[in-house]
Amino acid sequence: AQTVTQSQPEMSVQEAETVTLSCTYDTSESDYYLFWYKQPPSRQMILVIRQEAYKQQNATENRFSVNFQKAAKSFSLKISDSQLGDAAMYFCAYRRARSDSGAGSYQLTFGKGTKLSVIP
Amino acid sequence: DGGITQSPKYLFRKEGQNVTLSCEQNLNHDAMYWYRQDPGQGLRLIYYSQIVNDFQKGDIAEGYSVSREKKESFPLTVTSAQKNPTAFYLCASSPRDRGRVTEAFFGQGTRLTVV
Repeated sequence: AQTVTQSQPEMSVQEAETVTLSCTYDTSESDYYLFWYKQPPSRQMILVIRQEAYKQQNATENRFSVNFQKAAKSFSLKISDSQLGDAAMYFCAYRRARSDSGAGSYQLTFGKGTKLSVIP
Repeated sequence: DGGITQSPKYLFRKEGQNVTLSCEQNLNHDAMYWYRQDPGQGLRLIYYSQIVNDFQKGDIAEGYSVSREKKESFPLTVTSAQKNPTAFYLCASSPRDRGRVTEAFFGQGTRLTVV
């Protein structure tokens, strides 16, 4: 079974600074996808960034980027120029490349989350 | 607008009662999922469904039941057999991958409290 570990329950960052959230995972699969989701106080889950394991290039989305180390099974999220609106819970998630049942459902395995605070 | 609607936003249940959480999507997604979120536990999968009239248990299905009579709807019933039902429940849906990986889309959740 796949597991996802986020070792930092809470993090804080000064506004405009950079912060890195850690995530490690365990899988025997070679092809899979990784995601970072943001959950603000409204509790709506919002996709931040995704990474396909077969791609060596790290994904970036504006101020968000990842450091994907496949051999180390590590998938950290870097937030640059932090803003007050970045304050939220951040969840790392894993998904197999192929549907578990072969028919089109793609279950996500989540880490326990990191609560990020942004200090003005 | 397309999206996933969960209702109600807050729900209170007396011990020993069954209660049903609603989840509707108009995204034409094949697959739907129910997750439970507890403080410090992340999201854990309860049930999922990939097509109408078919569903499978997730990691923590005991004390829950679902149905999938329509593509758009995937209601979750929390039965009296669920010993600790107070939690935040999230419904999600996803389309089939077609050339690129797609993510799951989430509803806004239902907070269930046993009183």
